[in-house]
Amino acid sequence: GAVVSQHPSRVICKSGTSVKIECRSLDFQATTMFWYRQFPKQSLMLMATSNEGSKATYEQGVEKDKFLINHASLTLSTLTVTSAHPEDSSFYICSARGGGQGAVYGYTFGSGTRLTVV
Amino acid sequence: GENVEQHPSTLSVQEGDSAVIKCTYSDSASNYFPWYKQELGKGPQLIIDIRSNVGEKKDQRIAVTLNKTAKHFSLHITETQPEDSAVYFCAASKGGGFKTIFGAGTRLFVKA
Repeated sequence: GAVVSQHPSRVICKSGTSVKIECRSLDFQATTMFWYRQFPKQSLMLMATSNEGSKATYEQGVEKDKFLINHASLTLSTLTVTSAHPEDSSFYICSARGGGQGAVYGYTFGSGTRLTVV
Repeated sequence: GENVEQHPSTLSVQEGDSAVIKCTYSDSASNYFPWYKQELGKGPQLIIDIRSNVGEKKDQRIAVTLNKTAKHFSLHITETQPEDSAVYFCAASKGGGFKTIFGAGTRLFVKA
């Protein structure tokens, strides 16, 4: 089945530094990838939609200069949290569309990245 | 705007009993309704989905029903087991490149 690999699973960084999170589709080409943020005991909040070879579309209220998204190939999208602050600490999850169960409609999620900014 | 409401937020059942989670959606153009299971510290995993041209779908102990007229859909888990304990999210989408709208989640506890 479709597999989406997300790395790192956990990262701790100092305030002011930048962190890059990678999302790879391992056995299919992902034309569209989505980045979500999830606070404890809450639902997934869509941050942005990333299409291969074009600029990401950000949801209202999400700072595009703060959360840089690059979808340079059909199998890789990256999210860079720039100048991270403690309030950026969260669980970040990517998902990819294309391949596997429900390929036309469905999405496969990565395993998530727990970011802690100290 | 588009919205998906999910109830209950917490559900506790005895092992072997059934669990039902209900969702309603606002966008009548939605045509794809997946359900995800999320365990602690992990990403959501698709457990079952249903499309708008189908009223019911079953996969072993899990079933989903859809009422397009009323714009609601439900997840049914029968013969629950402790390993079913997790957070379950319903979602609605118009398919293709449209974004998926998630419900708030239901925390299911299955007591042994």
